[in-house]
Amino acid sequence: KAGVTQTPRYLIKTRGQQVTLSCSPISGHRSVSWYQQTPGQGLQFLFEYFSETQRNKGNFPGRFSGRQFSNSRSEMNVSTLELGDSALYLCASSLATGWESEAFFGQGTRLTVV
Amino acid sequence: GENVGLHLPTLSVQEGDNSIINCAYSNSASDYFIWYKQESGKGPQFIIDIRSNMDKRQGQRVTVLLNKTVKHLSLQIAATQPGDSAVYFCAEASWYNNNDMRFGAGTRLTVKP
Repeated sequence: KAGVTQTPRYLIKTRGQQVTLSCSPISGHRSVSWYQQTPGQGLQFLFEYFSETQRNKGNFPGRFSGRQFSNSRSEMNVSTLELGDSALYLCASSLATGWESEAFFGQGTRLTVV
Repeated sequence: GENVGLHLPTLSVQEGDNSIINCAYSNSASDYFIWYKQESGKGPQFIIDIRSNMDKRQGQRVTVLLNKTVKHLSLQIAATQPGDSAVYFCAEASWYNNNDMRFGAGTRLTVKP
């Protein structure tokens, strides 16, 4: 079956702009989590959505938001981009919510803010 | 604040040898731990997990050991193969701490043929 699909793969934006990233989970998976990966901070949890509801949230400012649609596809939005937002944004899907439901990651969207 | 960290940033082993990757954590409330493997250009891939009520868990060629006394986690890879070359992360999660999952910095494993 198809894996987790993230689009676009690469993105370049200017400071102050906003960006929307998309994630299509594995068919049948209802939980989608987002992560930010940078060389300095490593992998950090952003938020998790399950059945269109945000279930968990990491320690990121309100500029980072997300949503999930009825087909479980999820989008992540970052407003008023800063240089420090340059990172690999990873999406993971799992059957159920909770850390013990195995998560399958996509290849990520590499965002560069200039 | 509390965080998850790794003892060694890089590890180089000979093909066929066993590899041991270590991880230290500081949140004694963590009750679930995972090891991930990330190859270049790919997202992390689940390897093995362990709950805090266990000391050891084995998978195919991998073993995770948990020492809660010293807050230490290790991943052992038996008969390391070139395909095992990747960055390995440990992660901890605690239902007590708003379900936040935190990741270690990662150790780069290089397998020499």
